[in-house]
Formats: sequence, C-alpha cells, structure tokens
Amino acid sequence: DTGVSQNPRHKITKRGQNVTFRCDPISEHNRLYWYRQTLGQGPEFLTYFQNEAQLEKSRLLSDRFSAERPKGSFSTLEIQRTEQGDSAMYLCASSLEEDSEAFFGQGTRLTVV
Amino acid sequence: AQKVTQAQTEISVVEKEDVTLDCVYETRDTTYYLFWYKQPPSGELVFLIRRNSFDEQNEISGRYSWNFQKSTSSFNFTITASQVVDSAVYFCALSEWETSYDKVIFGPGTSLSVIP
Repeated sequence: DTGVSQNPRHKITKRGQNVTFRCDPISEHNRLYWYRQTLGQGPEFLTYFQNEAQLEKSRLLSDRFSAERPKGSFSTLEIQRTEQGDSAMYLCASSLEEDSEAFFGQGTRLTVV
Repeated sequence: AQKVTQAQTEISVVEKEDVTLDCVYETRDTTYYLFWYKQPPSGELVFLIRRNSFDEQNEISGRYSWNFQKSTSSFNFTITASQVVDSAVYFCALSEWETSYDKVIFGPGTSLSVIP
C-alpha cells in the first residue's frame, strides 16, 4: 500500500495520559500536514512540515501538542496530559510539493475517557 | 477572514436523482484555491477537484460537475444520476495563496445519503 498510513487507527486513553500518533506519508512527498476533525465538523488545520522543518502551527495547537518530523519522512504528533476535549479524529496528509494535491490517511480516532 | 459555508447539513436523494451541494466562501485574497473532498464512511478524505481563482470555467468529470462563480463567491458541486456509492460527507475547502496556501480551510460538510 503506497498511500498515507496512520497508526494507530484507534486510541482510547484516560484523561491526563500522554499519547503519540504516527504518520507515514507517501514516499518522496516532502510536505506533511496534520488536521483535527471533531464529529460533524470539517477538518481543522493543525500544522505542516516541509521536509523536517515545521513551517506553520495553528493556534489550535496548544502547548500540550507537539509534532515532529525528524528525518523528513514519518511524523509523530504527541498530546501530553490529554483532556476530554482532545477527543477527535487526527488526520495526516502529504503532498509532493507546494502546488500539488494532498492525499489523506484514514486518521487516528482518539477517545479520552 | 477566510471562511467556507456549506448551508446544507444533510441531503437525501433517491438513486438516479441529480443533486447539487452548495458552497459559499469568503476571502480577501485575490489568488486562492477551492477544493472539494469526499469522505466516505471509512473516514479517508478523497480529493475530487481543485480550482484556482482565475479559472471560472465549469468542469465536468463523468457524473460530477462544478460551477464556480466569483460574482457570488460560490463553488457548487453537482452529482448527476446519483448512485448509492455517492453516499458520503462532502467538504468544500479554501486555501489562500498569499496568506498560506498550505493551510486549507474546510467547510462543515454536507452529508449525502443516496437511497436505493
């Protein structure tokens, strides 16, 4: 499968715990994006990388959120001290270059109990 | 500020009917892109189309067609002869070239149910 891969697909965690999600973009795609989608809403932009550089962060990305793409390939999104309001689908997308189509993964659904 | 409105929350049609999904956008930029994505129950967003602000030609791709009108800030999507497989949530989206092309603003989505 050569699409965008996200792991895990589902995560249930207790409030206050830390969680980490992984995204493997399509090979050779240098741009990688993270979005968050709550029930009944459209995806909301969180952040994006060009290779290993994080170029923009949304104000939605509080201090408890951190994203990395250390070698310009896969990316991780960590949420520290999770809150119930963090429950959402976290979507990753990648694109080959600036002016090209973004391909989305199937997302990681986080439930904070 | 940029914004995308999809006034239709849910639409139900009977198979083979035509259906139009409305999208109205707001932006101050003169150069921008508009998108439509499909999100089936599996959850993966599927890219359907991207148009730039300088190209107002309508586009047709099989049973899908798009009507872009800058005068009304609308980018409507029509499915002709709908099929059950068209059942999904459809998102209209906007990105502004001058502000940040990579930050795509999505509308709230329209849930389409095609009944056999």
